[in-house]
Amino acid sequence: DAKTTQPNSMESNEEEPVHLPCNHSTISGTDYIHWYRQLPSQGPEYVIHGLTSNVNNRMASLAIAEDRKSSTLILHRATLRDAAVYYCILFIGNEKLTFGTGTRLTIIP
Amino acid sequence: EAGVTQFPSHSVIEKGQTVTLRCDPISGHDNLYWYRRVMGKEIKFLLHFVKESKQDESGMPNNRFLAERTGGTYSTLKVQPAELEDSGVYFCASSWLSALGHNEQFFGPGTRLTVL
Repeated sequence: DAKTTQPNSMESNEEEPVHLPCNHSTISGTDYIHWYRQLPSQGPEYVIHGLTSNVNNRMASLAIAEDRKSSTLILHRATLRDAAVYYCILFIGNEKLTFGTGTRLTIIP
Repeated sequence: EAGVTQFPSHSVIEKGQTVTLRCDPISGHDNLYWYRRVMGKEIKFLLHFVKESKQDESGMPNNRFLAERTGGTYSTLKVQPAELEDSGVYFCASSWLSALGHNEQFFGPGTRLTVL
């Protein structure tokens, strides 16, 4: 499985933007970059995904490097409800998700 | 639209007993996955159904675990006999079967299993 590298933890102040980095230097041409998050005591939740171009949805934005070896999940205005573990996963689809340790995001009121 | 549901939410059993976990996927989702997180570890894949067929069961830890998906709807995961190391949270997820292959998975809230 292609691997991703994320910082173990990050902190951000409430109502400020958050940039969560992910390195995936061994990404293949068919891998999509998926982000999931897990809020406390809940199942993982899909956040966003992309292939080559930057993507936006109601939850977040995904910025993908031109060489696709790294990406950044952007939460434009963090709230306390965004405190979670965020996972960056390379995914072909119709297959298993391989979760790493993710980044534990703490939001400071 | 109802999400993925799992039953029970919690189960406490003694070593050697049998437990059956149930997952009801989102209606129409042909893909169904089981994952688990044991204490202090990462979420790990167990197996994948496409409709009623096992597509990938490479993550099943041993033959004490048996998963079924009769009729391609709900799925059950039976642990018999349960051991202490089976304690953890078991998640079920489902997704559309997509030719494009980048379909998101929808997760249930999980079943917390405690083996004493």
